[in-house]
Amino acid sequence: GNSVTQMEGPVTLSEEAFLTINCTYTATGYPSLFWYVQYPGEGLQLLLKATKADDKGSNKGFEATYRKETTSFHLEKGSVQVSDSAVYFCALSEQGAQKLVFGQGTRLTINP
Amino acid sequence: GAGVSQTPSNKVTEKGKYVELRCDPISGHTALYWYRQSLGQGPEFLIYFQGTGAADDSGLPNDRFFAVRPEGSVSTLKIQRTERGDSAVYLCASSLSTSGGAVEQFFGPGTRLTVL
Repeated sequence: GNSVTQMEGPVTLSEEAFLTINCTYTATGYPSLFWYVQYPGEGLQLLLKATKADDKGSNKGFEATYRKETTSFHLEKGSVQVSDSAVYFCALSEQGAQKLVFGQGTRLTINP
Repeated sequence: GAGVSQTPSNKVTEKGKYVELRCDPISGHTALYWYRQSLGQGPEFLIYFQGTGAADDSGLPNDRFFAVRPEGSVSTLKIQRTERGDSAVYLCASSLSTSGGAVEQFFGPGTRLTVL
């Protein structure tokens, strides 16, 4: 079946550091890929998405590129801020399906 | 405008009891989803409604779980004969029409269910 595997956390970085959170997936066909974020005390919200191979999703300085050859969708940011501290979830939806399949989440803490 | 709301925010019950969890989606959203999130894990899909009908209930773990959306808006997740393993945060999400795929799902704050 479909699955998503994320980099184990927690991840702790200093402000202005470069961030990578790895995500790989297993799916049939051509899934859509997502990163959702959960800030402290808030609900899950969409950060970015990509719907086909080589698409790049971007938002709030974060980027992720849909790599079909490596079945990956790694999240990157060039310079993190304290306000980026949150739990990040990689997810996919199968082509033609609506349900999301989530990874286990990566807790990110940014220290000033 | 108002986001997805869920009530109650916390529910504590005893093993064997029946519980109902409510979800109010964003107005105008035709699709509604239920997920369950255990501690330290990502959300797991339970069921998805398009309008009043359950379009995909493949994630419901067993027949103790049931969900309805009688008027195509508010939904209720019902759990019979609760077990300690049902303890989790139950998340509801809604979205606009799902035609075309890959639509953004808007999540509520969740209901934390604890079964003693």
